This record gives sequence, structure tokens and C-alpha cells, in this order.
Amino acid sequence: GAGVSQSPRYKVAKRGQDVALRCDPISGHVSLFWYQQALGQGPEFLTYFQNEAQLDKSGLPSDRFFAERPEGSVSTLKIQRTQQEDSAVYLCASSLTGALQNNSPLHFGNGTRLTVT
Amino acid sequence: AQSVAQPEDQVNVAEGNPLTVKCTYSVSGNPYLFWYVQYPNRGLQFLLKYITGDNLVKGSYGFEAEFNKSQTSFHLKKPSALVSDSALYFCAVRAGSGNTGKLIFGQGTTLQVKP
Repeated sequence: GAGVSQSPRYKVAKRGQDVALRCDPISGHVSLFWYQQALGQGPEFLTYFQNEAQLDKSGLPSDRFFAERPEGSVSTLKIQRTQQEDSAVYLCASSLTGALQNNSPLHFGNGTRLTVT
Repeated sequence: AQSVAQPEDQVNVAEGNPLTVKCTYSVSGNPYLFWYVQYPNRGLQFLLKYITGDNLVKGSYGFEAEFNKSQTSFHLKKPSALVSDSALYFCAVRAGSGNTGKLIFGQGTTLQVKP
């Protein structure tokens, strides 16, 4: 596709439910990032993949958050037992190069807005 | 730890006037600096980056930014603002080689350009 695609665009979950957010990066992009953007804030790093390898998950706020990219393309961010504080926009971004060469710009998707009620 | 500060929550400017959106950074090692713009309900779009070389960096849509090492600043500028420039602007920093390339973003500055 032409850009990074995220689905669903909006998700409403009841507290305690599990959710799965999908990211389709630009074809051929090696790096994939997940960010969390709370209302009125800048994006906060969650996790990073280089191809299928999750090289950095230091930003995941708790063990309820899990991300995977099994074939090095599509990625899924899963949140188990959602809490109200998980309400945010979840942004996915990809870039062409891998970690050590990674000054190439990030291409962001439009995000998934998660509301936990 | 790396960090970025955008001291202004909002900048207001009249169309046709020059604009500046401020950013200061704190990193260990050489800074790699970026500006992104976000329109409502959209993801972030890359504007420009500083990696090395000339301190004045030119980017998309007529924007430029000046890297100042002594002041640890990377202010975004445009000589003549357009109403369509109204959006949320984020400064970001990535530390030097050896990390995963993750960006640390500032809190964002809302730019309002009035006709």
C-alpha cells in the first residue's frame, strides 16, 4: 500500500476486555515502532521490531501489553484486561532501514483510538 | 537520559508573518533531531531532520530548522506562515548509534495561523 495502515480506526472496549490492534507497514520496511499518544501529549515509545525480531520493548507499560511481528511485516499490539488508563491513540510507524542505520524518517499510520469504558 | 522540551503549548501568528516553534534537547552523544507535524485525527508526518553538517536544515512545505549546539536548540521556522500550516508540531530526538532508533518526542506545540 501507499502508507502505513492501522485497524481498527476506533475501538471501544469495556474495562477488562482484551483488544488487538493491527499495523500494516509500508512494504519492505525493516523497522516497525509502536507508540502510545495520550490526549494532549506527545507520542511515547512502546516497542520496536527489526523485521520479526523485537529488539526493544522497554516502553511497554505493563505485562498486559504484548506485541508481535511474526513474519516481519504485519504487527499486532495486544492489550489484555484493558484499564481506563490504556485509553489513548496507538500509533504505528515504519522506516526503511534497520536500527543502526536508522536516521531514515518514520512513516506513521493514522493510529487506532482506543477508549476503555 | 534523552529528552526534548517544547516550551510553548501554543504559538499564534498572522498569515504572512514569520513563525518560530521552539525546541530544546538533552542527549548524551551526538543528537539526531527531527520535526514532525500532526493534523487532527491523523498520524505524524515528517518535516525535516538534522543528522550532521549544515546547521540550517530545509524541509517540506517551506519549513526550516536551525541546529544550535551551544544552546542545545533546534527551532522550527518558516519565513511566511500559511493558514494551512495550523497544526500540532512535535520535535523529537534520537541519540547516537547503538540504540534502536526510537524517537523521544516533545509534548507538542499547537500552531495557530490566523488569516
